[in-house]
Amino acid sequence: EVQLVDSGGGLVKPGGSLRVSCAASGFIFSDYGMNWVRQAPGKGLEWVSSITSVSDYKYYADSVKGRFTISRDNAKKSLYLEMNSLRAGDSGVYYCARTNWDSSGVLGMDAWGKGTTVTVSS
Amino acid sequence: QPLLTQPSSTSASLGASVTLTCTLNSGYSNYKVDWYQQTPGKGPRFVMRVGTGGIVGSKGDGVPDRFSVLGSGLNRFLTIKNVQEEDESDYYCATDHASGAGFVWIFGGGTKLIVL
Repeated sequence: EVQLVDSGGGLVKPGGSLRVSCAASGFIFSDYGMNWVRQAPGKGLEWVSSITSVSDYKYYADSVKGRFTISRDNAKKSLYLEMNSLRAGDSGVYYCARTNWDSSGVLGMDAWGKGTTVTVSS
Repeated sequence: QPLLTQPSSTSASLGASVTLTCTLNSGYSNYKVDWYQQTPGKGPRFVMRVGTGGIVGSKGDGVPDRFSVLGSGLNRFLTIKNVQEEDESDYYCATDHASGAGFVWIFGGGTKLIVL
């Protein structure tokens, strides 16, 4: 069974840092690109960042560029998001999600974690 | 880049059919769109991907046969037949976009489905 378990959320002061993690199981982690998607309280889904299967490309939403860093450890089957210079607007639930694909291209984000909550407040 | 527009809410009676709409902006009629279901307090669930030719790839795990998709012009539709109480959720559409500037995922604002 494909499983993604998000962890590492918590309360952090504005300007602070936090690292959230996602542990994968049930599939060959190194075959898939991965993503972070967040959801502010009462709001919709917002894409944050993506990384290719072997970390050769990393992409970021403009709202987090220069502050957040996505990374992965294929040996540990884990995905990470290092968040610096955090703002109140970064508060929300952070989900990791797997990018499914085949020879025709991307097929969507077909597996999601349950999310981890980040609260930025003084 | 593409933008996705969804009505903020819709309702359907128990046992009826309902169609949710996601509209791309002009110039992006060839884009494929994903549908995601999110029940309150839970993570999103992949439903299926749709292009103008219909479903792309497979449905998400456990998605009932009552769910189907269609694509026409700039619109991507998700139809739920025989609506059940458990279908009451927020539904988001999304698309991926690659350009010289990089890669992004874009989400629509979501449609809240209320089951009456």
